[in-house]
Amino acid sequence: EAAVTQSPRNKVAVTGGKVTLSCNQTNNHNNMYWYRQDTGHGLRLIHYSYGAGSTEKGDIPDGYKASRPSQENFSLILELATPSQTSVYFCASGDIRGANTEVFFGKGTRLTVV
Amino acid sequence: QQQVRQSSQSLTVWEGETAILNCSYENSAFDYFPWYQQFPGEGPALLIAIRSVSDKKEDGRFTIFFNKREKNLSLHIKDSQPGDSATYFCAASDSSGSWQLIFGSGTQLTVMP
Repeated sequence: EAAVTQSPRNKVAVTGGKVTLSCNQTNNHNNMYWYRQDTGHGLRLIHYSYGAGSTEKGDIPDGYKASRPSQENFSLILELATPSQTSVYFCASGDIRGANTEVFFGKGTRLTVV
Repeated sequence: QQQVRQSSQSLTVWEGETAILNCSYENSAFDYFPWYQQFPGEGPALLIAIRSVSDKKEDGRFTIFFNKREKNLSLHIKDSQPGDSATYFCAASDSSGSWQLIFGSGTQLTVMP
């Protein structure tokens, strides 16, 4: 069964601190995505990747970096966390071009920056 | 500029009615349109999807109607059940170009028993 696992599930960080959100997928998908979800905005794309070693900017990349060291792992990094980055973050994997097109989401990470 | 728009933030229907959720998009290069269902505390899950070569896709009680000329689509949920109460997201992608999957802001559906 397709699986996307995020860690941690909950995180409290201090303003100015560094935060790393991790994502692992066992689907062997080329594409991986990081979204944030806020009330009234739906899911907004932060960064995405189309394979190991690649990262691309989404719609709202400012203040975030991404890293894709392997097919399975995709991290989102907040070098200097700010309260405006308090949100629920979702990682996803998929292959939109494939015959069985589906993007699978993890359960989310709730990040609070104080 | 919002590339994918869902016209209603919330929708309430009675059990047994057909719920209609609307979506429109800007980019004429979009050719893949999935709808995702999300329950509280969970990640979104694919419900049904359509490609722009079709104007209708049906899966059980769920049907997508797609109008390429008008750049809009709708999700119809027939015989709505209280268990269908969730947030529904329309999304779009240009599967031959960018790898981005762009989401609308979501419609929270409540089905009253």
